[in-house]
Amino acid sequence: DQQVKQNSPSLSVQEGRISILNCDYTNSMFDYFLWYKKYPAEGPTFLISISSIKDKNEDGRFTVFLNKSAKHLSLHIVPSQPGDSAVYFCAASSGAGSYQLTFGKGTKLSVIP
Amino acid sequence: NAGVTQTPKFQVLKTGQSMTLQCAQDMNHNSMYWYRQDPGMGLRLIYYSASEGTTDKGEVPNGYNVSRLNKREFSLRLESAAPSQTSVYFCASSEWAEQFFGPGTRLTVL
Repeated sequence: DQQVKQNSPSLSVQEGRISILNCDYTNSMFDYFLWYKKYPAEGPTFLISISSIKDKNEDGRFTVFLNKSAKHLSLHIVPSQPGDSAVYFCAASSGAGSYQLTFGKGTKLSVIP
Repeated sequence: NAGVTQTPKFQVLKTGQSMTLQCAQDMNHNSMYWYRQDPGMGLRLIYYSASEGTTDKGEVPNGYNVSRLNKREFSLRLESAAPSQTSVYFCASSEWAEQFFGPGTRLTVL
């Protein structure tokens, strides 16, 4: 059973508009959430994270929102740029010891110039 | 700093052959991980090492073995490769939740 779900395999957005990527989780023990960005033929790179004690975290054009009651988080990219075109993975950690991450299947974002 | 390095970048094996994927990190991280990425499946954890001298199974360990050689190096071994092990393999390291990934090894088993 998937504990981290990204239900949209792909998303297309016009340059300059907002991109919203969604992620749902089922495990109540998850207390730290991360977003990774992956370009083809490269490894994933860390983008932004949020602790379960917060409901929002911003870093430049990227904002992550966490709704614990709904077990839902979202990544907002404003404004979207063509260089943002990549696969975005949501990941969650229970923070217990080894900091294992459970990943979603990813959402491929295409930003159209 | 090179971060996380992986060798080789590409490899083609025949069914039944063995090979070892190498990973090294220069960030002095305690924890290291091996993942595989298959189309539409995201990243799945094969094995991890929480600290030097320890290793544990992840979600998909069957057909693999690992060795934490020292704090820097964590290798993944396929003893008898199968076509189902065709995948892209990523190594990662971390000091806590944020993991840093290598560039990956693309493995094809014929």
